[in-house]
Amino acid sequence: KAGVTQTPRYLIKTRGQQVTLSCSPISGHRSVSWYQQTPGQGLQFLFEYFSETQRNKGNFPGRFSGRQFSNSRSEMNVSTLELGDSALYLCASSLAGLSTDTQYFGPGTRLTVL
Amino acid sequence: AQSVTQPDIHITVSEGASLELRCNYSYGATPYLFWYVQSPGQGLQLLLKYFSGDTLVQGIKGFEAEFKRSQSSFNLRKPSVHWSDAAEYFCAVGFTNAGKSTFGDGTTLTVKP
Repeated sequence: KAGVTQTPRYLIKTRGQQVTLSCSPISGHRSVSWYQQTPGQGLQFLFEYFSETQRNKGNFPGRFSGRQFSNSRSEMNVSTLELGDSALYLCASSLAGLSTDTQYFGPGTRLTVL
Repeated sequence: AQSVTQPDIHITVSEGASLELRCNYSYGATPYLFWYVQSPGQGLQLLLKYFSGDTLVQGIKGFEAEFKRSQSSFNLRKPSVHWSDAAEYFCAVGFTNAGKSTFGDGTTLTVKP
C-alpha cells in the first residue's frame, strides 16, 4: 500500500503571496489532518477533515484553510503569507480520524517565506 | 483537557548505552498511547502503541514502552542505542470520544559515537 504523499516537497514564496499544499492519504483512509511544525512551537494541529467536512480545527488564523475532496485527497491553503509561516507542513491520514487511531504521516512540505 | 508532557527537550546518549524517554499524560479516562519517531527531514513514523492488555509494549527498531497507570506515564526504552536512532521522538495520547489526539513537544535524541 502506498504511503501518504505530499506535494510539493519544497516551496519558496515571498510575503503576501498565497500557497496551496496537497496531500494524498493512504487508500481507504477517510481522515486527513494537517500540522505545522517549527523549531520554536513544535507540532501544532491545524485542522482535520473527514468525508469532505472539517471536523476539528486548531488555533490558527483564517488565512489557513483547507478542503478535502471526494477521493479523500486534501489541500491546504495559506493566503497572505507571513515570514512566520515558514515551517514544515505535515499531513497525516487515518482510517476514521478518531483520537485513538494511528496516524500515518507524509514526508511534509517545507515552506520558506522570504 | 487532555495534555501530554515530555519533560526532556534534548537527550544525549552514547552509542550502545540504554535509553529512556519520558512521557506523562493527564486526563481521567483510559488512554490510547503512541510513540512516533521523526528522522531529520522526514514525517513521523509510528514506533509503537498501547490500547489495553499487557502494559509492556514492543515496537519496531527494538523499542519498547511501559504503561504505568499509577504514574500516568508511558516511557519509551531501548536497551542499546544505535547511531541511526538519532531523531526526534513524540509521545501522543488519544481518548475515546475525544476530538483529536494530542502530541507532546518532542524529545530530540543525539547519539554520541
